[in-house]
Amino acid sequence: AQTVTQSQPEMSVQEAETVTLSCTYDTSESNYYLFWYKQPPSRQMILVIRQEAYKQQNATENRFSVNFQKAAKSFSLKISDSQLGDTAMYFCAFMKLTSGTYKYIFGTGTRLKVLA
Amino acid sequence: DTAVSQTPKYLVTQMGNDKSIKCEQNLGHDTMYWYKQDSKKFLKIMFSYNNKELIINETVPNRFSPKSPDKAHLNLHINSLELGDSAVYFCASIPPSGPQYFGPGTRLLVL
Repeated sequence: AQTVTQSQPEMSVQEAETVTLSCTYDTSESNYYLFWYKQPPSRQMILVIRQEAYKQQNATENRFSVNFQKAAKSFSLKISDSQLGDTAMYFCAFMKLTSGTYKYIFGTGTRLKVLA
Repeated sequence: DTAVSQTPKYLVTQMGNDKSIKCEQNLGHDTMYWYKQDSKKFLKIMFSYNNKELIINETVPNRFSPKSPDKAHLNLHINSLELGDSAVYFCASIPPSGPQYFGPGTRLLVL
């Protein structure tokens, strides 16, 4: 069975600094997708970044980038130039498509606080 | 236009009541999910509905029943509400490329 582990329940970072959130997963699949979602206090779930497992190049979206290590089954999120608006819960998620059915698994989340 | 909408956003009710939460997506996706997020922020999948096939999470009490009148709607009906049902419920819609589009959530409080 697939699992997703976020080992850091809480983190904090100074504004303008860089922070890395860790995520590891366990799967025997070779083709899958990985996502990071952000949930600010407004509680809206927002997609931050996605990575297809078949792509070796790490995904980037402005200040957000990932370090995808397929062999190590690691998918960390780096936030550069942290801003106060980055304060949120961050969820790592794994998805695979099997026989036309999606299977989504979320990690337990990391609460990130950006300090002024 | 809101891609995934849920109504109501807040729901306060008494134990034992029956309530429904509606979810609508205008994205044309075939797959929709219902999640429950508890006070510890854990996201638990409750149901997925994919191409007219309903897949039920076995750990969900049968007091919870999803209903899909059409592809754009996946409503959640809850019978005999209990205190432990208090949570935020999220609906999500998923395209073939995978990332989920979440609704704004419905905060349910059972008194």
